[in-house]
Amino acid sequence: EAGVTQFPSHSVIEKGQTVTLRCDPISGHDNLYWYRRVMGKEIKFLLHFVKESKQDESGMPNNRFLAERTGGTYSTLKVQPAELEDSGVYFCASSQLLGQVPLGYTFGSGTRLTVV
Amino acid sequence: GQSLEQPSEVTAVEGAIVQINCTYQTSGFYGLSWYQQHDGGAPTFLSYNALDGLEETGRFSSFLSRSDSYGYLLLQELQMKDSASYFCAVRVDSSYKLIFGSGTRLLVRP
Repeated sequence: EAGVTQFPSHSVIEKGQTVTLRCDPISGHDNLYWYRRVMGKEIKFLLHFVKESKQDESGMPNNRFLAERTGGTYSTLKVQPAELEDSGVYFCASSQLLGQVPLGYTFGSGTRLTVV
Repeated sequence: GQSLEQPSEVTAVEGAIVQINCTYQTSGFYGLSWYQQHDGGAPTFLSYNALDGLEETGRFSSFLSRSDSYGYLLLQELQMKDSASYFCAVRVDSSYKLIFGSGTRLLVRP
């Protein structure tokens, strides 16, 4: 079974530019999550998709961030325009629930974004 | 606010036992998870405790006390490959959103 795939693995952009991160979840996983880790701090929740619908986007920092999940498959996270404080590692995760017991997320390796 | 506290760094010797503690203050609680992350890699799910007590999976065990808002991850027979960051995370509601701690960097020395 292929894991969660994210690309690019690294991105360096200038302040004010636009960057789009992509996540391909495990096939069949309806739940897709975006998280971010900034400067070695905690991994923070950004948002949660169930299929193509945004279930919870309470963690999105501001309106410069736009997430989409077309057709309930892959997801993109666009940052426009990027600011210095957006630097960090962006993780995507997917999960499939069996009954009431979560099996845990499967994370991707993340996209390391550096805004200069 | 919501917070999870765990030590920032722990050092232990190969073959030893190490315990990584996690205390939490969250608006809701459905369960406590642990994840392992090697540098540059994906966080990997280790365990999940929804009820009080000890869960054992091979060399790793995880404990939860909901009355104390406390849990720990126990790693036995440490190996060099166990050097990594370990995150505790609380599932706060039925959405499976997780609140993570800042991570504990474990260094295993020969």
